[in-house]
Amino acid sequence: AQRVTQPEKLLSVFKGAPVELKCNYSYSGSPELFWYVQYSRQRLQLLLRHISRESIKGFTADLNKGETSFHLKKPFAQEEDSAMYYCALSSNNAGNMLTFGGGTRLMVKP
Amino acid sequence: DAGVTQSPTHLIKTRGQQVTLRCSPKSGHDTVSWYQQALGQGPQFIFQYYEEEERQRGNFPDRFSGHQFPNYSSELNVNALLLGDSALYLCASSPLGTGNYGYTFGSGTRLTVV
Repeated sequence: AQRVTQPEKLLSVFKGAPVELKCNYSYSGSPELFWYVQYSRQRLQLLLRHISRESIKGFTADLNKGETSFHLKKPFAQEEDSAMYYCALSSNNAGNMLTFGGGTRLMVKP
Repeated sequence: DAGVTQSPTHLIKTRGQQVTLRCSPKSGHDTVSWYQQALGQGPQFIFQYYEEEERQRGNFPDRFSGHQFPNYSSELNVNALLLGDSALYLCASSPLGTGNYGYTFGSGTRLTVV
């Protein structure tokens, strides 16, 4: 069975501080990992995926297979980063099915 | 393009009743997936439809059923509603073959069972 764990329900930082949202997963095969974001009153949307190795809105995430983690990082938080962040996993043979973590609410204070 | 549209946005039902939720996928998308999001939790996969057939199913009882129409729109039906079915139901569409990269989510239907 596959599982995604986001240990922090709430993360509060000041503007300009570094941010790290933690994500750990359990899956025996080679997973695909994603970060989704939901801004206030907006729909859930894809932020980034590990396979693309890209930086979106200053966020990056590295897949660490040894530690089974996919933490989301940003060196300098902005107030507009305040949102719900969900880590999600898709297995090779599960088609489009996503397994989501419980989410972390990021609050960036001025 | 309106993206993924879901209806209704909110509804209240009584225990034991049946409910039907509707989803119109984004233009060009032919695959529809449904997720249940309980309060304070992440979305949980219910099932996925492609070519009018259930292609994949999560760990949900048979009370949850669905349908996809020739125009790719979809319905989620829940029978014998329980209080625990109260949740936000999300629809996501994608073009087949894009994996999860092409997922577009709707705003959801908030179901309250009393």
